[in-house]
Amino acid sequence: QKEVEQNSGPLSVPEGAIASLNCTYSDRGSQSFFWYRQYSGKSPELIMSIYSNGDKEDGRFTAQLNKASQYVSLLIRDSQPSDSATYLCAVYSGAGSYQLTFGKGTKLSVIP
Amino acid sequence: DVKVTQSSRYLVKRTGEKVFLECVQDMDHENMFWYRQDPGLGLRLIYFSYDVKMKEKGDIPEGYSVSREKKERFSLILESASTNQTSMYLCASSLSRYEQYFGPGTRLTVT
Repeated sequence: QKEVEQNSGPLSVPEGAIASLNCTYSDRGSQSFFWYRQYSGKSPELIMSIYSNGDKEDGRFTAQLNKASQYVSLLIRDSQPSDSATYLCAVYSGAGSYQLTFGKGTKLSVIP
Repeated sequence: DVKVTQSSRYLVKRTGEKVFLECVQDMDHENMFWYRQDPGLGLRLIYFSYDVKMKEKGDIPEGYSVSREKKERFSLILESASTNQTSMYLCASSLSRYEQYFGPGTRLTVT
């Protein structure tokens, strides 16, 4: 059973701080990794994708991937109250699977 | 921008009714997906389709069926709705094995 694990939180950070969200996955053959943001009562919104080891930056967001450690993280710099949401990690496994495996999400709360 | 639309935001049905949930995407994506999301259980895949008239079972297909007659449209059918199918239903689409884009969701209540 392919698994994607996230700390459920809640993770509380003060406004302006860096929020660090972590995700581990069980399938060593995993190829593609995604972070989604989901506000309460809304659908998931894609915010980052990462396919190779290292860092990928987009505005205040940085995704980090370490395939050897089977670990992917999302850093949010200068956190804002509007970043308060649940963040879902999602992983495509290898072998041509079309099925994304989602973690259960980490709830982030940014305190003004 | 990718746009995925779902036929209803909120739906209330009675036990035993046949329920149709429709999803339409406008980006010519070959893959479409139906998920349900419940508190504490996360997102669970019900069915997906990688081409017109093609479908594959996901993790929880029991009690559901799907139809994909046109590339842009993917329907989820609850043959006989039950109270344990009360949930948020999310449709998504993707190009090959790239990012999946979600519709706004349908919150279904079965009474």
